[in-house]
Amino acid sequence: GIQVEQSPPDLILQEGANSTLRCNFSDSVNNLQWFHQNPWGQLINLFYIPSGTKQNGRLSATTVATERYSLLYISSSQTTDSGVYFCAVGADRGSTLGRLYFGRGTQLTVWP
Amino acid sequence: DAGITQSPRHKVTETGTPVTLRCHQTENHRYMYWYRQDPGHGLRLIHYSYGVKDTDKGEVSDGYSVSRSKTEDFLLTLESATSSQTSVYFCAISNSYEQYFGPGTRLTVT
Repeated sequence: GIQVEQSPPDLILQEGANSTLRCNFSDSVNNLQWFHQNPWGQLINLFYIPSGTKQNGRLSATTVATERYSLLYISSSQTTDSGVYFCAVGADRGSTLGRLYFGRGTQLTVWP
Repeated sequence: DAGITQSPRHKVTETGTPVTLRCHQTENHRYMYWYRQDPGHGLRLIHYSYGVKDTDKGEVSDGYSVSRSKTEDFLLTLESATSSQTSVYFCAISNSYEQYFGPGTRLTVT
């Protein structure tokens, strides 16, 4: 399977700070998603971004597929941003469409 | 949010007993997946389905079986639960590449 490495593993910020989370992957992919797992365990879709750049409010993401990495930017962080951020990638086609390989996540803690 | 429910949400069972977890969707998505989440491992794929009665193994399928007799339901069965299967189990659905996850089931095997 595809290896996915996320960095940093842990990140502690004060409210209002900006941060960048990184995801490196070992093979060409046609699927890349960022998720936020909140403190209640729910997995929330942030971005589907196999290539290019997207923005949604204070969050944005960039994937450079040719160099096999993706970045998630969080600006003006809030305490509600706390949780674990996962990057997941896939490279399947046909009947196995959509299989995802997850990184181990970045644990983000934002304090007031 | 995608309409995905999982049942039960919490379960404690004894080693050696059979356990079935259910995933139900109201989105009519073709693809369904079971993952498990363990500390230090992220999520790992157990089994997936690409249509009614069409299933295949993921990376951690040993000790698990699945069935999908209709589009909306995907069942995960532990034939004889072991302590190593204590985990949080997530179901996901997809119609293309993007996956949406259910709320999870916390299973404890004692």
